[in-house]
Amino acid sequence: QKEVEQDPGPLSVPEGAIVSLNCTYSNSAFQYFMWYRQYSRKGPELLMYTYSSGNKEDGRFTAQVDKSSKYISLFIRDSQPSDSATYLCAMTLPSGATNKLIFGTGTLLAVQP
Amino acid sequence: KAGVTQTPRYLIKTRGQQVTLSCSPISGHRSVSWYQQTPGQGLQFLFEYFSETQRNKGNFPGRFSGRQFSNSRSEMNVSTLELGDSALYLCASSLAQGETEAFFGQGTRLTVV
Repeated sequence: QKEVEQDPGPLSVPEGAIVSLNCTYSNSAFQYFMWYRQYSRKGPELLMYTYSSGNKEDGRFTAQVDKSSKYISLFIRDSQPSDSATYLCAMTLPSGATNKLIFGTGTLLAVQP
Repeated sequence: KAGVTQTPRYLIKTRGQQVTLSCSPISGHRSVSWYQQTPGQGLQFLFEYFSETQRNKGNFPGRFSGRQFSNSRSEMNVSTLELGDSALYLCASSLAQGETEAFFGQGTRLTVV
C-alpha cells in the first residue's frame, strides 16, 4: 500500500464547475501538506501549502486538511480551461532534518470550455 | 527573481552510458532535492543536499549519485544507464533544511535507447 493515495482520474468537468481533488494517506506523522499543479512537459508548480489541520484559501483555490481522517482536499471554484493539468498532492514529516516530499500519483483534470 | 534552472532540458543516451544533470536553485536557497518522475511510479525522491552534504537518500541503486557545490548548485549523475532510467528528472529548491516549501524546475527529460 502506498503512503499517499490519489485517484488518477482523468476528471473531466465543464467550465465554471467546482472541482474537488482528494488524497488519503497512511502516516499520521505527516504534518505539512502541499498541492502542486503540473502542466504537460513542465515541472510541478506549488499551489497551496498548509500546516496541520484546517482550511486555507487563495483566490479560487481552497485546501483542506483533516488529520483525524488522514484526508486532504483541494477545491477549485469557477474552474477554467487553463486549470486543465495534473494535480499532485504532497506531504512531509515535521522533522527539520529533511525536505523529502511524498507525492500522490496525481489526478489529471480536464476543464471543457 | 529567477526560478530553478535545470540543464539540459532534453537528453538522449544509449544504454550503458552515463549522464550528468545540473540544477541551479533559486538565489538564496541552500537546499536542493532531486526526484524521478515516471508514468508508472509518479514522483519518487532520489536525494537531498544542504550545505554540500547529502542529508537524505531515497531507495535507488548506487548508480544514482549527486553532489552540491558551495554556491548551492547541484548535479546528479546516473552511471551505466538502463532503459528503465528514462524519466523526467526534477530538481526542487528550498530555502533551508526543514523548510518544506519546495519549488521545482522544469526538469530534464532523459531518454535511454
